[in-house]
Amino acid sequence: SQQGEEDPQALSIQEGENATMNCSYKTSINNLQWYRQNSGRGLVHLILIRSNEREKHSGRLRVTLDTSKKSSSLLITASRAADTASYFCATVREGGGNKLTFGTGTQLKVEL
Amino acid sequence: GAVVSQHPSRVICKSGTSVKIECRSLDFQATTMFWYRQFPKKSLMLMATSNEGSKATYEQGVEKDKFLINHASLTLSTLTVTSAHPEDSSFYICSAMAVNFATNEKLFFGSGTQLSVL
Repeated sequence: SQQGEEDPQALSIQEGENATMNCSYKTSINNLQWYRQNSGRGLVHLILIRSNEREKHSGRLRVTLDTSKKSSSLLITASRAADTASYFCATVREGGGNKLTFGTGTQLKVEL
Repeated sequence: GAVVSQHPSRVICKSGTSVKIECRSLDFQATTMFWYRQFPKKSLMLMATSNEGSKATYEQGVEKDKFLINHASLTLSTLTVTSAHPEDSSFYICSAMAVNFATNEKLFFGSGTQLSVL
């Protein structure tokens, strides 16, 4: 399976704290994307980082990419209860067309 | 942002019946749509890639006669689960890639369909 792995599988933090999720993948990639999924809903695209980029920011989100280690991290700063959701990384393999391969996901719970 | 509408959001059916799920891109044209399956608290598994006007490409292990995909227009793809059985119960999600997006850019996802086969 080419599926990536994420850790932790589940993360519970207090509102205001930062949340860090990690993603590892197996193949060379064109880009890596992070998505958010609320329970029983579709996915929402959060941020895309290309293979030649090392870090990217979007609002309270910070994504890093280390292609030598085939890993990425998503940092959510100053978390809010509304950030409670599952977060998935997804990769587009080099030469793999447009197919996204999703990681196993991290379930984040932000408590008041 | 681009909107993908997936319908129905929830369906309960008897074993042996067929169920059709629709995925529509509302404000953009989608040459390619993807169908995924997701088990509870698990990741998304790609089932097939649907290209407008041509046959779908199925992932290894996915039965094409079981999961019929039709992409008849640039805004609509359908997934039909034929002769559904309880093991087909799952959350099905579609996603669409806009024509005017660069290759490998982000996809837009439908809100998913929860299928329960009794």
